[in-house]
Order: sequence, then C-alpha cells, then structure tokens
Amino acid sequence: AQKVTQAQTEISVVEKEDVTLDCVYETRDTTYYLFWYKQPPSGELVFLIRRNSFDEQNEISGRYSWNFQKSTSSFNFTITASQVVDSAVYFCALSGTTSYDKVIFGPGTSLSVIP
Amino acid sequence: DSGVTQTPKHLITATGQRVTLRCSPRSGDLSVYWYQQSLDQGLQFLIQYYNGEERAKGNILERFSAQQFPDLHSELNLSSLELGDSALYFCASSARAHSGTGELFFGEGSRLTVL
Repeated sequence: AQKVTQAQTEISVVEKEDVTLDCVYETRDTTYYLFWYKQPPSGELVFLIRRNSFDEQNEISGRYSWNFQKSTSSFNFTITASQVVDSAVYFCALSGTTSYDKVIFGPGTSLSVIP
Repeated sequence: DSGVTQTPKHLITATGQRVTLRCSPRSGDLSVYWYQQSLDQGLQFLIQYYNGEERAKGNILERFSAQQFPDLHSELNLSSLELGDSALYFCASSARAHSGTGELFFGEGSRLTVL
C-alpha cells in the first residue's frame, strides 16, 4: 500500500528564516512520482513540483528547493528566506506511473511565517 | 487560474438531501479526479475517471457516485447527506500521458455544508 507521512503538523517561523518540510513515503512500486502542492489560505491547491523516482537530482527553483533521497524514502522541501506569502498548508503526494494509479496525499504541514 | 471549473462554490443543505457537484476539466485533459477535504481527514481521494471510464476508486462511500460525460465534464452526486459529509470537495484534472501521470490541476473546490 502507498502512504505519505508528513510528521510536522504545524510549523511557525519568523520571516526570512529557512524552513524544511519533511515528507516520507512508502510504496512497493519501483517507479513512481512524488509531488508537492501548496494550499494557501484562499483554499485552492497549487502544484509546485513533480519528481520521478529514477531522478534523484535535487532541484532548486528560486527560494524553493527539494531534496529527494530514495535510500530514506524522503522528499523534503526547503523554503529559503521565508516570506509571509509562503504561509500555507503544504502537501506531499505520491503516485504510481500508470494512468490507473491514484495520487495519494500526505496529511499536510501548515506553515505560518510570522512577520 | 488552473482552468478547472467547479460549481457550485458553496452549498448549504440539510441532512438526508442529495446534491450534485459539477466539474469541467482543463481543455484537453482527459482525467478527472475527485477529492474530499475535511478538517480531520485531510485530502481523501474519492474517484478518478479517464476519458469516461472509471480508473481508480478510493474511499468513496456507497451514497456517493460520480460519472464523466462524453464532453469530459464530471459530476459527483452525494445522497442521503449526513453532517459528516460537510467538507470541501475538490475536482482536479490532468493530461495523463500513456506512460505515467502528470501533475494535477485543481479547481477552487465546492464547499458543502450539511445542517
């Protein structure tokens, strides 16, 4: 069975601090996709990144970076120099690679960035 | 704007009633997914359709049903409503390629309140 765990329920940081959101997943599939989504207070879910299981290169996009480690089944997300607009719930998600696979979301981590 | 349209945005109804939530996917997307987001259960996958065919089923109650029509829009029917069905219902679409899964594009959600 597939499972995504986000152990941090809520995190508060002061603006400009760096913050890392943890994600640990379980799957028996040899190939799979991992995702991060953001849900700001307005409620909509916004796609941030997709990562293939065979691509363990870390990725950086502006202040966002992702660290994928297959050996520890983790896909962590770091926000550098956090801003108030980063306040949101962040979801890590997992999916198989066929069109029959469903996307499973973790419970989410609520990030509050305090000015 | 994700391109996914959900109606209605808000719905208030009474226990025992039946409601229909509608979703229009992004132009060209063949897959539609329904998710339920409640405070205590996070984002729960309900069901997925691909080009009119049911592809995956999650924790969808028997009182709930869904379908995807030839024009690719989808409807989620919720019947014999209970207080616990109050939640935000998200529709998402994706342009799933044959070889795998793409990112999900979410609508703004339909907030259902059962009184």
